[in-house]
Amino acid sequence: GQQVMQIPQYQHVQEGEDFTTYCNSSTTLSNIQWYKQRPGGHPVFLIQLVKSGEVKKQKRLTFQFGEAKKNSSLHITATQTTDVGTYFCAGNNFNKFYFGSGTKLNVKP
Amino acid sequence: NAGVMQNPRHLVRRRGQEARLRCSPMKGHSHVYWYRQLPEEGLKFMVYLQKENIIDESGMPKERFSAEFPKEGPSILRIQQVVRGDSAAYFCASSPRGQARETQYFGPGTRLLVL
Repeated sequence: GQQVMQIPQYQHVQEGEDFTTYCNSSTTLSNIQWYKQRPGGHPVFLIQLVKSGEVKKQKRLTFQFGEAKKNSSLHITATQTTDVGTYFCAGNNFNKFYFGSGTKLNVKP
Repeated sequence: NAGVMQNPRHLVRRRGQEARLRCSPMKGHSHVYWYRQLPEEGLKFMVYLQKENIIDESGMPKERFSAEFPKEGPSILRIQQVVRGDSAAYFCASSPRGQARETQYFGPGTRLLVL
């Protein structure tokens, strides 16, 4: 069945270091969305990627969608303590979202 | 501009009791999704509903769990005869038309604890 794998599970960085999380799907996706969940909070939509090879930036965050539309990445440059949380990708196939298991980011000041 | 509302925010039940979780979607949204999140884990899709219709319930356990989204009122996720393994955060999300490229807006979740 459809699976979306996300790595790493955890990442501890020093403030100012970069961070990347990767998402891989077993099948081609129609689009992929990224969400952030703060500790004790709920997922909040960050961005959606639709086109093959698409790259989008939001300030220090860079999102990429692979050429085959089966993988995606989120890269944060120069992390800050406000970046702490769990980042989820959600791949869409046939109108159904498959969430990755998330990458929990901890940023040490 | 109220967002997705869920209540209760926290629910404690003893084994064997029933849990009812409510979700009111954003204004103008007619599609609701329920997800379960176990501690330190990701979101697992449970069910997708439109008003008065269950579109996809492939993620719902076969027994004890049911969901509805009536014409009037909130969507309800019902868990009968709860067990300790049902302890989790249950999130609902809504979207306007249930189309693939729409954003899902999540509610604050209901944290269920089964004693």
